[in-house]
Amino acid sequence: ELKVEQNPLFLSMQEGKNYTIYCNYSTTSDRLYWYRQDPGKSLESLFVLLSNGAVKQEGRLMASLDTKARLSTLHITAAVHDLSATYFCAVVNAGNNRKLIWGLGTSLAVNP
Amino acid sequence: DVKVTQSSRYLVKRTGEKVFLECVQDMDHENMFWYRQDPGLGLRLIYFSYDVKMKEKGDIPEGYSVSREKKERFSLILESASTNQTSMYLCASSLGPGGTEAFFGQGTRLTVV
Repeated sequence: ELKVEQNPLFLSMQEGKNYTIYCNYSTTSDRLYWYRQDPGKSLESLFVLLSNGAVKQEGRLMASLDTKARLSTLHITAAVHDLSATYFCAVVNAGNNRKLIWGLGTSLAVNP
Repeated sequence: DVKVTQSSRYLVKRTGEKVFLECVQDMDHENMFWYRQDPGLGLRLIYFSYDVKMKEKGDIPEGYSVSREKKERFSLILESASTNQTSMYLCASSLGPGGTEAFFGQGTRLTVV
């Protein structure tokens, strides 16, 4: 059974600092998503990573995928307050049902 | 842009009531999903549907049923609402046969009193 673990679950950081969120998954998958959720709002897709070594960047966020290590990272560069949100990774179950399996989310607070 | 619309943003219902949560998507997506989101538990899949009139149980289907009579609409039904069903409910849709990007509605915060 595919399991997805994110860490840390809570992250408080200062503006201007860099940090990385990790997403580990337990079995083979060919697709991984990162989503963002603002407080009280719904989820918005940030990145889809399809292959080993894939890297995607949008502004201060960069996501990468290592399928051999079954690890994705979401790197935050020079954080700003607007990045405060909960970030989820979701991994496609490569089995028959191809459901998305979700991590618990990382709640990020960027403080002045 | 894909739009997934949930019929209510906030709902308050009494214990024992039958509750309908409606979700409509406008991009001809095959797959539709209902999740509930609770603090510390992440997103948990209740039911999903990959075609009209087709449905499959997710991880926590107990106490819920669904209906998909038309491709664009997926309804979640709480047959007899209970207080432990107080939660945020999220509907999502995706295009392909599974594993493609999911687009979410704005969520319905349901309180059962």
